[in-house]
Parts: sequence; structure tokens; C-alpha cells
Amino acid sequence: GENVEQHPSTLSVQEGDSAVIKCTYSDSASNYFPWYKQELGKGPQLIIDIRSNVGEKKDQRIAVTLNKTAKHFSLHITETQPEDSAVYFCAASIKDTGNQFYFGTGTSLTVIP
Amino acid sequence: NAGVTQTPKFRILKIGQSMTLQCTQDMNHNYMYWYRQDPGMGLKLIYYSVGAGITDKGEVPNGYNVSRSTTEDFPLRLELAAPSQTSVYFCASSRRQGPSNQPQHFGDGTRLSIL
Repeated sequence: GENVEQHPSTLSVQEGDSAVIKCTYSDSASNYFPWYKQELGKGPQLIIDIRSNVGEKKDQRIAVTLNKTAKHFSLHITETQPEDSAVYFCAASIKDTGNQFYFGTGTSLTVIP
Repeated sequence: NAGVTQTPKFRILKIGQSMTLQCTQDMNHNYMYWYRQDPGMGLKLIYYSVGAGITDKGEVPNGYNVSRSTTEDFPLRLELAAPSQTSVYFCASSRRQGPSNQPQHFGDGTRLSIL
């Protein structure tokens, strides 16, 4: 099956700085890559996703990049705010597999005011 | 919009007891999933269903059972609770749109401790 690795496991940034979280995947058949944000005591919430036919996608302060050749994708958060503090998960999914997701192990982001 | 609803939110079980974790969604999604989340381990798929009457094993199915008699409900059953099943359990659902992958929508979890 697919194996997704995520780094770093913890990340602290000053408010206003940028944060970058990186993931790699093993199966070249993966074609959908969502990112989730999980706040304490809550379930994961989708914040952005990217499909394999696109190299970059942006939504306000959040962007995701995908390098299919190297099998890695990254989440970029600019102008970080304290409310960005949470655990972030990347995932990969292969077409025609019942929409199964393979998750990374998560990154705990702390934004220091 | 309720989305995905899980009950109970918290539960403590004794070793060997059984229980059912409930999950229901009101988005008419075909696909439903059960995950467990252990500290530092991300989310691991236990079982999933692509429609009523159809279920399949994920990465970590041992010790669990599921059923899918309706589109809305996807209960997870623990028959003989073991300490290794102490975890946070999440239910999720997604719509089917041809072969194209779709986002999964998650409930807020059930925190289960087995003592």
C-alpha cells in the first residue's frame, strides 16, 4: 500500500512568519493530495487539496505544491497567525480504491504571538 | 448542517467488554470510513464502505467489526475490548464522483479508554 511520510513532527514559528510542512509518498499511482487541520478535541478539517494534474494551488494564505517526479508535496502557510496553531496532516489517495486516504503522522504547528 | 455525527464522545470500558461506536452522516455520501488515531501515529484506516451492504478491511481491522445497512449509518463494533484499543476513533464520509477522489469529511471523534 501507499506510505506517506511527513516532516517536521513539530514546528514553532513567530507570528507573521511562514511555515512549511513537507510530505513524501511512495506510490506513483497516487493522484489526490488533501491537507487537513486538526484543532484540539476536534476532527480533521480539510484546508486545501491538490490533484496530480496541477503543480500548485493557492487559497489566500495557504498554498500547496506538488512535485510528481520526486513524489513530494508541501503545505505553505504565509503570514502565520496564532489561530493557525494546530496539528496538520497530509494524505495521499489512489484513484479507484474506494477513495482510501493514507495519512502522514502529523505536524504540530505552534505560532508564537 | 450536522455533517458527520459520532456518539458517544467519551467512553471508558473494562477489558473484555463490548461496545458499538455510532456514526451517522446526513450528506447522502456513498463512502464511509473508520479510523483510529494514536499519539504520533496519524490516522489508520480500520474499515471502510463504498455503499450500503458493502464493507471492506483497511490497514488495522483486527478486533473490530462493521456493518452498513443504510447509506447514513456506519457503526463500529468492538467485541472483546483490549487495552491496545485505547485510542481516538474518527468516522468520515465522502461522496462518489466517478473515479475522481473526493475530500473526506470527519466527525469530532470518540475517545475510548480500556482499563
